[in-house]
Amino acid sequence: KNQVEQSPQSLIILEGKNCTLQCNYTVSPFSNLRWYKQDTGRGPVSLTIMTFSENTKSNGRYTATLDADTKQSSLHITASQLSDSASYICVVMGNTDKLIFGTGTRLQVFP
Amino acid sequence: KAGVTQTPRYLIKTRGQQVTLSCSPISGHRSVSWYQQTPGQGLQFLFEYFSETQRNKGNFPGRFSGRQFSNSRSEMNVSTLELGDSALYLCASSEGGLVALHFGNGTRLTVT
Repeated sequence: KNQVEQSPQSLIILEGKNCTLQCNYTVSPFSNLRWYKQDTGRGPVSLTIMTFSENTKSNGRYTATLDADTKQSSLHITASQLSDSASYICVVMGNTDKLIFGTGTRLQVFP
Repeated sequence: KAGVTQTPRYLIKTRGQQVTLSCSPISGHRSVSWYQQTPGQGLQFLFEYFSETQRNKGNFPGRFSGRQFSNSRSEMNVSTLELGDSALYLCASSEGGLVALHFGNGTRLTVT
């Protein structure tokens, strides 16, 4: 069964600290992997899109990595800010063009 | 450019009724997709339309249907509402292909 699992489920960090969120998937064959940020009460916003051949992609303080061999991805947030408090969702697209969503990691950044 | 607009923002319906949700995509975007988000199941893909044709469909019962108009605006309909249909319904638009989806802020549907 095609699945996307994220860890941890929730995370609390202090402002200015770094953190890393994990995403493991079983989707096969694989087309691309996306990370989204969703603020409370808002729709998700795209952070990165990575294909099979891409290992790393950055968007400001957000850096995503992808290991297509082990079917793992991570999202690293550098020098966290209060505005980083949100849910982060990992999404994988297989060859059917259907998006399969992880259940997300809820990040809270405290001053 | 204006973002993706979904109306209404909130909706309360009674079990057995039907509901229609509306989505206006970003100008120039021909792909519109719909998603259901619940605390237990997270985000789940409903269907995608491109140039008025349904291009892909998720694993939802036939009570969930949609359509897209010639101006790319889309509507989603849920008939014979059940309590379990209570959710945040999100619409996203894109130019099609390997590009980012742009989501609206959703319609919060509560079925009582």
